[in-house]
Amino acid sequence: EAGVTQSPTHLIKTRGQQATLRCSPISGHTSVYWYQQALGLGLQFLLWYDEGEERNRGNFPPRFSGRQFPNYSSELNVNALELEDSALYLCASSGGNTETQYFGPGTRLLVL
Amino acid sequence: GEDVEQSLFLSVREGDSSVINCTYTDSSSTYLYWYKQEPGAGLQLLTYIFSNMDMKQDQRLTVLLNKKDKHLSLRIADTQTGDSAIYFCAAPRDSGYSTLTFGKGTMLLVSP
Repeated sequence: EAGVTQSPTHLIKTRGQQATLRCSPISGHTSVYWYQQALGLGLQFLLWYDEGEERNRGNFPPRFSGRQFPNYSSELNVNALELEDSALYLCASSGGNTETQYFGPGTRLLVL
Repeated sequence: GEDVEQSLFLSVREGDSSVINCTYTDSSSTYLYWYKQEPGAGLQLLTYIFSNMDMKQDQRLTVLLNKKDKHLSLRIADTQTGDSAIYFCAAPRDSGYSTLTFGKGTMLLVSP
């Protein structure tokens, strides 16, 4: 069974640009979570989508947004990129009878 | 909301046991998780424990939960150099929600 997949693996942008990150959950999972892992700040919860709806949001500005598609895959969009947005962005999925979250390999975003 | 604390670093010799400790604040946490992150990789679910359990054993891994003190530990028996990684403790972020709060991670270094 395929795990959570994320694309791209690496992304380089300049300040002010927009970044789009993608995530495909484990087959049968309906929930997708996004986390930011910035150096020195640990893992911070960003967004939670379930059944196409945003269910919860972390303490991030509105320029961090996303959506979940009918096939349960998800996009994370970061507008007006700032240098401090450089981080590893991790996607996780859960579903079925458990809330246990399984993580993808991440997208490493570098903002220059 | 939940707050999760971990010690930052642990160094052991190959073959020794490793014990990684974690404290959390929200006594209503249902599941508590341990994840492992190798350099440049995403998070791998190691094990989890339900809040009505005191102990869970899974091969070389033993999880102990002290609900009274809100203390969770992960013991790795016969630690190998391949166990060198960052270990994260995680608990549900808010009661009734599925999102997770992570500790800052414990870096385990295993020397030959």
